[in-house]
Amino acid sequence: GNSVTQMEGPVTLSEEAFLTINCTYTATGYPSLFWYVQYPGEGLQLLLKATKADDKGSNKGFEATYRKETTSFHLEKGSVQVSDSAVYFCALSDQAGTALIFGKGTTLSVSS
Amino acid sequence: EAQVTQNPRYLITVTGKKLTVTCSQNMNHEYMSWYRQDPGLGLRQIYYSMNVEVTDKGDVPEGYKVSRKEKRNFPLILESPSPNQTSLYFCASSPSTGEWETQYFGPGTRLLVL
Repeated sequence: GNSVTQMEGPVTLSEEAFLTINCTYTATGYPSLFWYVQYPGEGLQLLLKATKADDKGSNKGFEATYRKETTSFHLEKGSVQVSDSAVYFCALSDQAGTALIFGKGTTLSVSS
Repeated sequence: EAQVTQNPRYLITVTGKKLTVTCSQNMNHEYMSWYRQDPGLGLRQIYYSMNVEVTDKGDVPEGYKVSRKEKRNFPLILESPSPNQTSLYFCASSPSTGEWETQYFGPGTRLLVL
């Protein structure tokens, strides 16, 4: 079945450091891929998405490229800020379109 | 303001005492869904509804019930809660099935079952 594997956290960085959070997936067909962010005490918000191979999603300085050959969708940001501290979830759409399949989440903590 | 609301936000209860967590959206969305979030497991879908009176099981439906009598409301019912249902619950809605880019999540309900 479909599944998403994210790197284990927590990830602890200093402000202005480069961020990579790895995400790989297993899926039949060609799912859409997503990154969600959850700030402390809040629900999930869509951060970015990609719907087909080689698409690059971007938002708020974050980027991720849909790599079909490596079945990956790694999240990157060139210079993190304290305000980026949150939990990040990688997700894919299931084949039936009735659910998102989420990874376990990666906690990012950025210090000044 | 477009939003999904959940009540209560926090709940402590005891094993076996029936409870309902309400979810309401004000966007006239057809699709609604419930997830639970557990440490190390991410979010897992409990139930979803593609429209009024149409509901179906997600990945972890055991111990839960839902109903969709009106478009805006999608309550989650725990008939006989057990400690393994202690979790953080999220309701979500989107215009229709598969429209994930315009999916809204509620703020979450933290449930503790003693």
